[in-house]
Amino acid sequence: AQSVTQPDIHITVSEGASLELRCNYSYGATPYLFWYVQSPGQGLQLLLKYFSGDTLVQGIKGFEAEFKRSQSSFNLRKPSVHWSDAAEYFCAVYGQNFVFGPGTRLSVLP
Amino acid sequence: EAQVTQNPRYLITVTGKKLTVTCSQNMNHEYMSWYRQDPGLGLRQIYYSMNVEVTDKGDVPEGYKVSRKEKRNFPLILESPSPNQTSLYFCASSLSPDSIYGYTFGSGTRLTVV
Repeated sequence: AQSVTQPDIHITVSEGASLELRCNYSYGATPYLFWYVQSPGQGLQLLLKYFSGDTLVQGIKGFEAEFKRSQSSFNLRKPSVHWSDAAEYFCAVYGQNFVFGPGTRLSVLP
Repeated sequence: EAQVTQNPRYLITVTGKKLTVTCSQNMNHEYMSWYRQDPGLGLRQIYYSMNVEVTDKGDVPEGYKVSRKEKRNFPLILESPSPNQTSLYFCASSLSPDSIYGYTFGSGTRLTVV
């Protein structure tokens, strides 16, 4: 069975600082990988996805993620965080079915 | 506008009183799914549907029912709600379960069972 872990429950960064959110998965093969963002009171919005090819993928809102097969990781990054990035972020994996991680809540200090 | 519409957005009900949360999509998606979101647990799949009249259990189906009589609608039914079903519920749809476009989510239904 596949699983997804997001080691950080809550992260706080200052506006303008860089950001990295961690995601690790467990699956026997290379799954499809996704990052979703959930703003307060909203549904989930797809930020980016990886299926194959270039291991560095670009998404919306200036986010990018890097797939590292050797580490079974798919970490999300942004070089400069904006206050509007405060939200909850979910890593998701599709192998045999669609599984979400527990989420990381991002707070941004002015 | 392509979207998944859930209703109601907020619902407070009493234990044992049957309720239905509606979900409708306008993208002609074949795959639809229900999730519940609880703090620290992320999203857990309740039921999913591969197409009309084809439904199957997800990870946490106990206490829920679904139906898929037409492609656009996928209601979630709680026959006898209990307090442990207090949660935030999301409906999602996609062309297929492994769609490269990911899933489109509704805005959520916050259910409180007292």
